[in-house]
Amino acid sequence: DGGITQSPKYLFRKEGQNVTLSCEQNLNHDAMYWYRQDPGQGLRLIYYSQIVNDFQKGDIAEGYSVSREKKESFPLTVTSAQKNPTAFYLCASSIGPGPTFEAFFGQGTRLTVV
Amino acid sequence: AQSVAQPEDQVNVAEGNPLTVKCTYSVSGNPYLFWYVQYPNRGLQFLLKYITGDNLVKGSYGFEAEFNKSQTSFHLKKPSALVSDSALYFCAVRDNANAGKSTFGDGTTLTVKP
Repeated sequence: DGGITQSPKYLFRKEGQNVTLSCEQNLNHDAMYWYRQDPGQGLRLIYYSQIVNDFQKGDIAEGYSVSREKKESFPLTVTSAQKNPTAFYLCASSIGPGPTFEAFFGQGTRLTVV
Repeated sequence: AQSVAQPEDQVNVAEGNPLTVKCTYSVSGNPYLFWYVQYPNRGLQFLLKYITGDNLVKGSYGFEAEFNKSQTSFHLKKPSALVSDSALYFCAVRDNANAGKSTFGDGTTLTVKP
């Protein structure tokens, strides 16, 4: 079954902790993205990767880090520098980085600071 | 810079009636426009896109959208709404100048009442 898998579905973080959200795709897509969704707001881009071993900051990259060592994997680390990390995080991929390709989304990870 | 506006936070329609969810955009180059749907606590699902050609685009689940260049709009429509269409709908835009990045609207909640 092809698709994007995000894990865990729910994640709780204590103040000062780093946490890593997993995103794996078996669609053979080149481009991958991380978005943050807050209530009443659209999706905001955190980081994106157009090809393996390369990634760029999105609009709200502060307090986050990523890696793209394998084509199928794009993990996101929420660091202690992110002051308000409670949100719904969505990973997506597309066939390529070009503007004509639609995105395929995972089911999301809901992160809560406790 | 590219931007998307969804002027209505909420749209309510009766089952069987036509529905319209509005979207306007601003880009510096040629627009590539997308509609996605999100059900509670899930990722986004792609509905349809406009790349070029016919201004009326047909997509999944009986949805269609009309691209209007002069009004910079891309409204989502369906001739006969179903209760199961109730969800959060997002419009998104990409252009060649920002090929790696999509800009999403804030979303419109569609409620279809029986």
